[in-house]
Amino acid sequence: GQQVMQIPQYQHVQEGEDFTTYCNSSTTLSNIQWYKQRPGGHPVFLIQLVKSGEVKKQKRLTFQFGEAKKNSSLHITATQTTDVGTYFCAGSQGGSEKLVFGKGTKLTVNP
Amino acid sequence: DGGITQSPKYLFRKEGQNVTLSCEQNLNHDAMYWYRQDPGQGLRLIYYSQIVNDFQKGDIAEGYSVSREKKESFPLTVTSAQKNPTAFYLCASSIGRFTDTQYFGPGTRLTVL
Repeated sequence: GQQVMQIPQYQHVQEGEDFTTYCNSSTTLSNIQWYKQRPGGHPVFLIQLVKSGEVKKQKRLTFQFGEAKKNSSLHITATQTTDVGTYFCAGSQGGSEKLVFGKGTKLTVNP
Repeated sequence: DGGITQSPKYLFRKEGQNVTLSCEQNLNHDAMYWYRQDPGQGLRLIYYSQIVNDFQKGDIAEGYSVSREKKESFPLTVTSAQKNPTAFYLCASSIGRFTDTQYFGPGTRLTVL
């Protein structure tokens, strides 16, 4: 079945350093979504990417969808303590197909 | 306010007892989902429903049951057949399809003693 692999599982950074998490699928995806879950909270939608090679930015966050639509990345520039949490990618092969979540990358930021 | 509510936030049960987790949404969404979250495992789909009176098994449905009698409600029953029920349970909804944005409730942390 469809799998979505996410690396790294954990990332510790000093405040101000950059952070990147990567998402890879064994199959071509129709879209990919990114969610953030704060400690003790629930996942909150960040963004959806649909087009091959798409790049979207939200302030210090940059999201990319690979040309082959099999991988994606989330890059945070100059991390802040408010960025702490677990970042999940989730991909689907089509509208009627299940959304498959990666296992997430847990980010901790040392002030 | 529009959103998804789950109750209770924390739930304790004795082994061998069935327990039902509540999930209600007032977003007028057609689709609703139940996920289980364990440390280091991400989110795993238990059941989903894309229309009232219809639901489908997800990847880890064994030991769980659901109903969808109303658009707003999608309760999950954790039965005694579920071998490792202690987990964080998240309910979500979306407008209609899996590819639509999913909105999550605050979750219920179930501990079976």
